[in-house]
Amino acid sequence: SQQGEEDPQALSIQEGENATMNCSYKTSINNLQWYRQNSGRGLVHLILIRSNEREKHSGRLRVTLDTSKKSSSLLITASRAADTASYFCATGRSGGYNKLIFGAGTRLAVHP
Amino acid sequence: DVKVTQSSRYLVKRTGEKVFLECVQDMDHENMFWYRQDPGLGLRLIYFSYDVKMKEKGDIPEGYSVSREKKERFSLILESASTNQTSMYLCASRDNSPLHFGNGTRLTVT
Repeated sequence: SQQGEEDPQALSIQEGENATMNCSYKTSINNLQWYRQNSGRGLVHLILIRSNEREKHSGRLRVTLDTSKKSSSLLITASRAADTASYFCATGRSGGYNKLIFGAGTRLAVHP
Repeated sequence: DVKVTQSSRYLVKRTGEKVFLECVQDMDHENMFWYRQDPGLGLRLIYFSYDVKMKEKGDIPEGYSVSREKKERFSLILESASTNQTSMYLCASRDNSPLHFGNGTRLTVT
């Protein structure tokens, strides 16, 4: 079964608007990561947040993590057409071998 | 920059064929992974390897096997391809870092 579930499944916005994607998970984690996938390509790592962190920034990206609610959000500010892609959250579990479990992703379309 | 190379972007095979998907990484990573990606299901882990000749099953290993004879190369083997194995296959590698992915192999089994 999947660990992470993204919401919404699809998001369509205009350039300049902010895009917010959410991820919920089920078990304890030691980190949560966000990846981006352009159409027909592999995934590219965007940002990692550890379980003892609440917020992290990288350029136009802002990630929050609420371990009490088992949820995370990815905010892309001032979106551009080039941000059009699918975005996935992935969780690294506490204990055991640290393999990542991915959600089904959010498809973001940014219109010029 | 880490490079993960998958040998084929597109592959068409017939039901019952033995299929090899090859993946090579150039950063001396210990850990390598094979995922399959299907619409609405995200990425699901098939197998991973944490060292040469070492492997562990992921969440959906049935119908697949793997081989890691050299550190840089991790092969996914479909012993007898079936139509339900039509999918995008993604290889990845990492050490104490996020995953680095190849561009994927889109496999069609007819």
